[in-house]
Amino acid sequence: GAVVSQHPSRVICKSGTSVKIECRSLDFQATTMFWYRQFPKKSLMLMATSNEGSKATYEQGVEKDKFLINHASLTLSTLTVTSAHPEDSSFYICSASPRDGELFFGEGSRLTVL
Amino acid sequence: LAKTTQPISMDSYEGQEVNITCSHNNIATNDYITWYQQFPSQGPRFIIQGYKTKVTNEVASLFIPADRKSSTLSLPRVSLSDTAVYYCLVGDTGRRALTFGSGTRLQVQP
Repeated sequence: GAVVSQHPSRVICKSGTSVKIECRSLDFQATTMFWYRQFPKKSLMLMATSNEGSKATYEQGVEKDKFLINHASLTLSTLTVTSAHPEDSSFYICSASPRDGELFFGEGSRLTVL
Repeated sequence: LAKTTQPISMDSYEGQEVNITCSHNNIATNDYITWYQQFPSQGPRFIIQGYKTKVTNEVASLFIPADRKSSTLSLPRVSLSDTAVYYCLVGDTGRRALTFGSGTRLQVQP
């Protein structure tokens, strides 16, 4: 089946630094990818839609200057958390679809900001 | 996007059949119903998807009544490894983001 992979799976950084998370579709091309974040014991919340070759679409309340999304190729989208702070600590998950009707999720990336 | 409502939690024992019902009163004509399973610190895993009536695969069955305002995920003979959170999502295509509800936390006991 279709596979979506994220890297890194875990990252710890100091407050004020920037962290980049990669999301790759391994066996299909994805013109659109989606980024979610999930706090402990909570559901997934959509952050933004990543569009290949164009600007990402952010959900209301998500700061686009803080969560930079780049979708430079049909198999790679990156999420950069800029000037990270402890409140940005969360589980970030990306997803993509090889075709209509099926959405596959990455393994997730746990960010801890000290 | 159609809103979904599921029970917050359910308990079961190994070997039993578990049925989790999801309400989606505002489902649109083009919407599919998809169920995902999520273990702690992992991304959601696709379980099953349907549009109407009944769908069955190697791990679950999905029952959808004619009005499509609800759906029921059926897990036959659950095991301890089925302990997870189950999400019901409704959307018209995999190319558009799906909105997650609260999910159902299933606890399977020995």
